[in-house]
Amino acid sequence: AQTVTQSQPEMSVQEAETVTLSCTYDTSESDYYLFWYKQPPSRQMILVIRQEAYKQQNATENRFSVNFQKAAKSFSLKISDSQLGDAAMYFCAYRVDTSGTYKYIFGTGTRLKVLA
Amino acid sequence: SQTIHQWPATLVQPVGSPLSLECTVEGTSNPNLYWYRQAAGRGLQLLFYSVGIGQISSEVPQNLSASRPQDRQFILSSKKLLLSDSGFYLCAYLRTVNTEAFFGQGTRLTVV
Repeated sequence: AQTVTQSQPEMSVQEAETVTLSCTYDTSESDYYLFWYKQPPSRQMILVIRQEAYKQQNATENRFSVNFQKAAKSFSLKISDSQLGDAAMYFCAYRVDTSGTYKYIFGTGTRLKVLA
Repeated sequence: SQTIHQWPATLVQPVGSPLSLECTVEGTSNPNLYWYRQAAGRGLQLLFYSVGIGQISSEVPQNLSASRPQDRQFILSSKKLLLSDSGFYLCAYLRTVNTEAFFGQGTRLTVV
């Protein structure tokens, strides 16, 4: 069964500093998608970044980047120049294709606190 | 543009009462639809997904059911709520394989 593990329930970072959130997953598939979602206090789920497993190049979106290690099944999120607005729950997600149906499996989340 | 509507935003229901949460999607056709539950301090648990009208797949045995009476409508129901049904419920849709899932704003359900 596919699983997603986020081993850091909570992380803190000083404003303007860099923080890395960890995520590992388990799958026997060779082609899949990985995502990081942000859930601010409003609880609206917002996509931060996504990675296609067949692409070796790590995805980047402005201050957000990932370190995708396919062999190790690791997908960490790096936030550079942290801002107060980055404070939120961050969920790592894996999308599996089951007979043409796409299911998202989420980790338990990491709560990020940004200290002024 | 595509949008997803989910209501109500909050709901307080007594134990044993019925439940109906509704989710509708606009601007797309034949989406994959999902219901997730987020319990306090926990991640998102996939409850149901649907690939078409009348097609429902359940991920975990529970006190809830889902229905898709129309292409862009997804309903989460219960005949008799339990205390353990309390949580934050999120509806989501996937438009194409090359996009991410988009989420509604969620329903906070408290069973008392």
